[in-house]
Amino acid sequence: AQSVTQPDIHITVSEGASLELRCNYSYGATPYLFWYVQSPGQGLQLLLKYFSGDTLVQGIKGFEAEFKRSQSSFNLRKPSVHWSDAAEYFCAVGRGSGGYQKVTFGTGTKLQVIP
Amino acid sequence: DAGVTQSPTHLIKTRGQHVTLRCSPISGHKSVSWYQQVLGQGPQFIFQYYEKEERGRGNFPDRFSARQFPNYSSELNVNALLLGDSALYLCASSRAGQGSYEQYFGPGTRLTVT
Repeated sequence: AQSVTQPDIHITVSEGASLELRCNYSYGATPYLFWYVQSPGQGLQLLLKYFSGDTLVQGIKGFEAEFKRSQSSFNLRKPSVHWSDAAEYFCAVGRGSGGYQKVTFGTGTKLQVIP
Repeated sequence: DAGVTQSPTHLIKTRGQHVTLRCSPISGHKSVSWYQQVLGQGPQFIFQYYEKEERGRGNFPDRFSARQFPNYSSELNVNALLLGDSALYLCASSRAGQGSYEQYFGPGTRLTVT
C-alpha cells in the first residue's frame, strides 16, 4: 500500500528566509509524486509533480522539489519565502495505469510566515 | 478554459438525510476522483471514475456512492448522513487513461451535518 508521511505539522519561517518541507513516501515502485498547496477554505492547487526523469523538478511560484529514491523522499524547497506563501502544503504519492489512478495524501504541513 | 467546478459550495444537512454533490471536470478530462477532507487532515480518496466506470474505491462505507455521466460530470451521493460526514468534499479531474495523471481540483463542497 502507498503512504505519505509529512513529519512537520506546523512550520514558521520569516519572510525572505528559505523553506524546506519534508515528505517521505512508501511505495513499491517508482511513484508519481506531487506537492499541492491549499489556502484556507479553498481547493488544492498543484505546485509541481514528478513522474520520471530529472530528479529536481521546478514548479510554480518559485518552488522546487527533489526526488531522492534512496531516502524515499520528495522535499519541497523555496529559496525566499513571501508572506503570500502562508498556506497548508500537501505531499501526495500516486499510481496509475490505463484509466485507473489513485493518489494518497499526507496529513499536511501548515506554513506560517512572519514579517 | 474553465477549471473543475463543484456544486453546491456549502450545504447543511441533518443526520439521517441524503446528499448529492456534483462535479464537472475540465473539458477533455475523462477521469474524475472524489476525496473527503476532514478539518485538519489531508484529503482521503473515496472514488475514481473513468469512462463512466468505477475504477477505484477507498475505504468508505456503502453509504457513499457515485456515478459518472456520458459528459464525464459526476455525482457523489451519501446516504444516512452521520455527524462524522461533515467535511470538505473535493473533486479532481485528470487525463488518466489519456497519458497524464496530473489531478486538478475543484474548490470543494463544504458539507455540515447537524
